[in-house]
Amino acid sequence: TQLLEQSPQFLSIQEGENLTVYCNSSSVFSSLQWYRQEPGEGPVLLVTVVTGGEVKKLKRLTFQFGDARKDSSLHITAAQPGDTGLYLCASGGSNYKLTFGKGTLLTVNP
Amino acid sequence: DSGVTQTPKHLITATGQRVTLRCSPRSGDLSVYWYQQSLDQGLQFLIQYYNGEERAKGNILERFSAQQFPDLHSELNLSSLELGDSALYFCASSAFKNTEAFFGQGTRLTVV
Repeated sequence: TQLLEQSPQFLSIQEGENLTVYCNSSSVFSSLQWYRQEPGEGPVLLVTVVTGGEVKKLKRLTFQFGDARKDSSLHITAAQPGDTGLYLCASGGSNYKLTFGKGTLLTVNP
Repeated sequence: DSGVTQTPKHLITATGQRVTLRCSPRSGDLSVYWYQQSLDQGLQFLIQYYNGEERAKGNILERFSAQQFPDLHSELNLSSLELGDSALYFCASSAFKNTEAFFGQGTRLTVV
């Protein structure tokens, strides 16, 4: 079973600051997904990265996949209160299992 | 709206009881996943079905069982409920195995 470690576990910042959260594994990811979850709601898919070294941008969010496909990062520029939520990374292996990390709980204060 | 429907949204029941949670996947999706989420454990994978067949099993208790029906909807049965089973239960669907998953809004189960 592939274990995904996310860091930091908690992050509280002020509006306008930049931040980076990380997702790491000891195994190679076949692909990696990032989700955001708001309280009481289901996770919502943000992006999927597949190729080592890949960089994807979604407005103020930048997702990077490590060259060795063992790590990924999510960078948010000029964070806003609406970015508050639990950020989860997930990956599936050769089996059908889709495994999630424990997430980074981000709070952006106005 | 993800297109995945879960019912009921809230469920309160007593210890020892049995409940059934229902999930309708997005139209055309063949895979259904079930997850349990509690504050201290994060999103725990329970079980996955693909086109009616069980394909992957996580840390699912023997008291829990699931199935996917020919119309692709799925049900998660939880029996002999304990206080520790109180959690959010999510269903997700995807087109194929390990592709992007779309989550329902969850069922909040409270065992009293």
